[in-house]
Amino acid sequence: QKEVEQNSGPLSVPEGAIASLNCTYSDRGSQSFFWYRQYSGKSPELIMSIYSNGDKEDGRFTAQLNKASQYVSLLIRDSQPSDSATYLCAASDQAGTALIFGKGTTLSVSS
Amino acid sequence: KAGVTQTPRYLIKTRGQQVTLSCSPISGHRSVSWYQQTPGQGLQFLFEYFSETQRNKGNFPGRFSGRQFSNSRSEMNVSTLELGDSALYLCASSDQTGPPGYGYTFGSGTRLTVV
Repeated sequence: QKEVEQNSGPLSVPEGAIASLNCTYSDRGSQSFFWYRQYSGKSPELIMSIYSNGDKEDGRFTAQLNKASQYVSLLIRDSQPSDSATYLCAASDQAGTALIFGKGTTLSVSS
Repeated sequence: KAGVTQTPRYLIKTRGQQVTLSCSPISGHRSVSWYQQTPGQGLQFLFEYFSETQRNKGNFPGRFSGRQFSNSRSEMNVSTLELGDSALYLCASSDQTGPPGYGYTFGSGTRLTVV
């Protein structure tokens, strides 16, 4: 059973701090990795995608991928209360037509 | 442009009944994927359709089925409902010009409660 593991949290950070979210995946055949944000009662929305080893930055968000360690992370700089949500890590399956999701990490940013 | 439309938003059904959920993707998107979300298991893949063909199926019993029409609209059906089928069912559409998940747009979901 292919899995994506995340710490469920909650992860609590003060406003302006860096929030660090991590996940590991079991399928070495996974080629694409994503971070989705899901607000309570809403559907997930894509915030970052990463396909190759290293870092990818987009505004306040940085995704990091290490395929050798099967590890993906998301850094959120200058965290805002509006970043409070559940963050879902996802990896593509080998067939390339589905995503395997972690159960999510709940982030709480206090003002 | 219009987003992904899922109907109905809420459903209450009795054990043993069957249910059909509908998803209309973004115009031009030919790939539709279905996911089940529960507090205990998180988001789990049900199936994916592309141009009316099921290309992938998750690890769910045969009571869960789906189809896609020529206009890319998709339906999923759950027969002989069980209490454990209570969940948020999410549909995601994409134009599939990138890897799966890239360009996914999720609908608002259908909240199914089985009593």
